[in-house]
Amino acid sequence: EVQLVESGGGLVQPGGSLRLSCEGSGFIFSNYEMNWVRQAPGKGLEWISYISSSGTTKYYADSVMGRFSVSRDNARNSLSLQMSSLTTGDTGVYYCVRDLVFYSNTRTGMDWGQGALVTVSS
Amino acid sequence: QLVLTQSPSASASRGASVKLTCSLSSGHTTNAIAWHQQQPERGPRYLMKVNSDGSHTKGDGIPDRFSGSSSGAERYLTISSLQSEDEADYYCQTWVSGIWVFGGGTKVTVL
Repeated sequence: EVQLVESGGGLVQPGGSLRLSCEGSGFIFSNYEMNWVRQAPGKGLEWISYISSSGTTKYYADSVMGRFSVSRDNARNSLSLQMSSLTTGDTGVYYCVRDLVFYSNTRTGMDWGQGALVTVSS
Repeated sequence: QLVLTQSPSASASRGASVKLTCSLSSGHTTNAIAWHQQQPERGPRYLMKVNSDGSHTKGDGIPDRFSGSSSGAERYLTISSLQSEDEADYYCQTWVSGIWVFGGGTKVTVL
């Protein structure tokens, strides 16, 4: 069974930093592209970052470009999101998401973690 | 610019069907999309991928009453035999060159 477990969420002051982690299990972590998606309270889903399976290619949403940095440690089956210069607008639940997987002509998959709550407040 | 447009809300009676629409912006009308369900106070769950030709492939354990289809720039999610647990937010999502885009979501109410 595929599992993605985020950790590292919490309360941080505006201008502060926080590092989220996501540990994957039940699949060969190094084979898959990964993403971070967040959801502000009462709002919709917002994609914020992508990292390739090897970690060499990374993309970011404009809203976090230059402030957030994604990385991975395939030896530890771990994905990270380093967040800095945080504002109240960064408050929300952060999900790590395994990219689309093709299992067969009739079945595909995309796996979400349970989420980590980040609260930016003074 | 890649934009996905969804109606904010939809409703139908228990046992009836509801069809949700996700509209792709101009220049991206052949994109495949994915549908995700988010039940109240829970994280999202992947439902299916819908291709431009109307074919769809579903995630593990997704009931047969969930189906996908397409017409032009529109991608659809149909939920048949609505049940109370189908009351949720439904998001469509697409991608281009590694960048993901989500629609604003449709809140489905089961009457």
